[in-house]
Amino acid sequence: EVQVLESGGGLVQTGGSLRLSCVASGFTLNTYAMSWVRQAPGKGLEWVSSLSSSGTSTYYSGSVKGRFIISRDDSKNTLYLQMNSLRAEDAAIYYCARVRYGDFFCDSWGQGTLVVVSS
Amino acid sequence: DIQMTQSPSTLSASVGDRVTITCRASQSISNWLAWYQQKPGKAPKLLIYKASSLESGVPSRFSGSGSGTEFTLTIGSLQPDDFATYYCQQYNNFLIFTFGPGTKVDIK
Repeated sequence: EVQVLESGGGLVQTGGSLRLSCVASGFTLNTYAMSWVRQAPGKGLEWVSSLSSSGTSTYYSGSVKGRFIISRDDSKNTLYLQMNSLRAEDAAIYYCARVRYGDFFCDSWGQGTLVVVSS
Repeated sequence: DIQMTQSPSTLSASVGDRVTITCRASQSISNWLAWYQQKPGKAPKLLIYKASSLESGVPSRFSGSGSGTEFTLTIGSLQPDDFATYYCQQYNNFLIFTFGPGTKVDIK
C-alpha cells in the first residue's frame, strides 16, 4: 500500500527554522516526483515546493523561495522540507504528496504535520 | 503565474441533487487540471485528473469536463459522503502547481 507519513512539525518562533520529513512506504521515492502543499488554518491549499523524480530539479512558490529547501535521502526513502526564516504566514498544515508517475498531479497524500509560528 | 478561480465558493445542496462546480484558469492550461475532495481534518483526495479522467476507485457519479480555461466538476447525484470542499489544481507548468480557492458543498 502506498503511504507517505509526515513529521517534524511543531511550535517555532518567528525567524526560526524547522525541518519536515516525509517517509514513503509502498513505493521507491526516487522513482517519483514529490511535492509539499500547505494549508493555513481555515484556508485553502497552497503549493509550496516540488522535487523532480531525478532529484536534480527543485521548484518553489514565490512565497517560500530563498527560505525553504526541498531534498530527499534515497537511502531512507524520505523527503524533507527545510524551512528557514519562518514567518507568521508560514503557519499551516504541511502535506507531503506523491506526484503520479509520468504526470504532474498529486495522487497520494499524507495526513499532514502542523507548523505553528509564534512571535 | 497562472491564477485559478472557482465558483461558487459555497454551495448548499440536498442529497440526490446534481451539483456543478466551475473552475477557471487565467490562461489556457489545455486539459492539465485535477480535482480533489477534502473533508475536515483529512488530506485531500484525488478525484479527477486530465480534466475528465476518473481516478480509480472514485464513484462514477463524479465527472469532469472542460479544456482551455474553463472546467467543471459534476456530481451526478449528491450522496451524504460528498459533503466536503472541492479544489481544482492546474499542472500545466510541470511541477509548478496552482490550486483554486475551493468550493464548499454543504447540506441545504
